[in-house]
Amino acid sequence: QQQVKQSPQSLIVQKGGISIINCAYENTAFDYFPWYQQFPGKGPALLIAIRPDVSEKKEGRFTISFNKSAKQFSLHIMDSQPGDSATYFCAAGREQLSFGAGTTVTVRA
Amino acid sequence: KAGVTQTPRYLIKTRGQQVTLSCSPISGHRSVSWYQQTPGQGLQFLFEYFSETQRNKGNFPGRFSGRQFSNSRSEMNVSTLELGDSALYLCASSLQGWRTEAFFGQGTRLTVV
Repeated sequence: QQQVKQSPQSLIVQKGGISIINCAYENTAFDYFPWYQQFPGKGPALLIAIRPDVSEKKEGRFTISFNKSAKQFSLHIMDSQPGDSATYFCAAGREQLSFGAGTTVTVRA
Repeated sequence: KAGVTQTPRYLIKTRGQQVTLSCSPISGHRSVSWYQQTPGQGLQFLFEYFSETQRNKGNFPGRFSGRQFSNSRSEMNVSTLELGDSALYLCASSLQGWRTEAFFGQGTRLTVV
């Protein structure tokens, strides 16, 4: 049973545009929501994380929006750059992390 | 400071064999978690070790096992390999557990033929 559903599977954005990735979770006990970035041949790297007592968190060009009542959270990548082209995973958990299926982002120059 | 080191990077095994993968965490990190990554199932949690004790376990058969040594290095073992075990196996280390920032290694690519 997939506990975290992520969409879209892939997206293409022009340089300078905004990339938006959405995730939904089912388990209301989850209290930690990180996003990871993975480049080919590398392990995932923590990008940004949020806890449910906060509705938004921003770090540079990356912003997480969190809607506890809807059990949804999203990642916004502002001013997307070619170097942002990677696969992004959302995750959620309490005792262990459940990951979304991943979104491949391609930023066209 | 050195990152998470996984060895070997690539492995080819025959169905029915067993395999042991190794993970050396970042110095000072006491938690090591293991994940299986496949195109079909994505990233799935295998287990977490903290101070030599298994703290959490995912939904994998008993053929998958692990251990952690006193220096926090961890090993993962898969017995009686099946074709479906072909995957990228990732380990992640963190200071206190997965709620603190976890750093992933580059993974071990296991191919079962």
